[in-house]
Amino acid sequence: AQKITQTQPGMFVQEKEAVTLDCTYDTSDQSYGLFWYKQPSSGEMIFLIYQGSYDEQNATEGRYSLNFQKARKSANLVISASQLGDSAMYFCAMREGPQGGKLIFGQGTELSVKP
Amino acid sequence: GAGVSQTPSNKVTEKGKYVELRCDPISGHTALYWYRQSLGQGPEFLIYFQGTGAADDSGLPNDRFFAVRPEGSVSTLKIQRTERGDSAVYLCASSFNGPAKDTQYFGPGTRLTVL
Repeated sequence: AQKITQTQPGMFVQEKEAVTLDCTYDTSDQSYGLFWYKQPSSGEMIFLIYQGSYDEQNATEGRYSLNFQKARKSANLVISASQLGDSAMYFCAMREGPQGGKLIFGQGTELSVKP
Repeated sequence: GAGVSQTPSNKVTEKGKYVELRCDPISGHTALYWYRQSLGQGPEFLIYFQGTGAADDSGLPNDRFFAVRPEGSVSTLKIQRTERGDSAVYLCASSFNGPAKDTQYFGPGTRLTVL
């Protein structure tokens, strides 16, 4: 069974608008972490945002926020005020357990920002 | 400070040859991870070091793959008798595994092509 599911292979958004990238996860652990990474065409994986399973507030980092719905096992990334430079692949990942350990990645969503 | 560095950036080899890929983590990071990313996929975990020892090598696909981290800093991923299916981008990441602080930061990757 897929542990991380990203159901949107590709998304388009108009510049300056907000966009939500979906991510659902599957784990039986009580303690886990959820991460989003951006991978531009240059190939480097860039860390965007982190949400711990016990964090009560949704994580925010600048224009990025994570809509964490624990009961639904979803961790959607919201990008506000999209910019052309946001065009990239976006990966959701999960770390099972309290800290350390491997990340399990989803298949990714390719975001294209239109001018 | 300096990020994770990987050498070489590109490696082309012939089927059956031996290759070594090097990763230099962020200074002070105790944990080091290797992932493999095939075209159009999310990264897949290979092995994780905490200090000098392999804490989890469950992702190594077979005994042709081996990795070391003898002094707890630089790591080398070694692939024997390379096969065409080994062609991928090999990503290295490092993290400081402190409480609530285990974000993995990735290097630029090594693109391996097996002819």
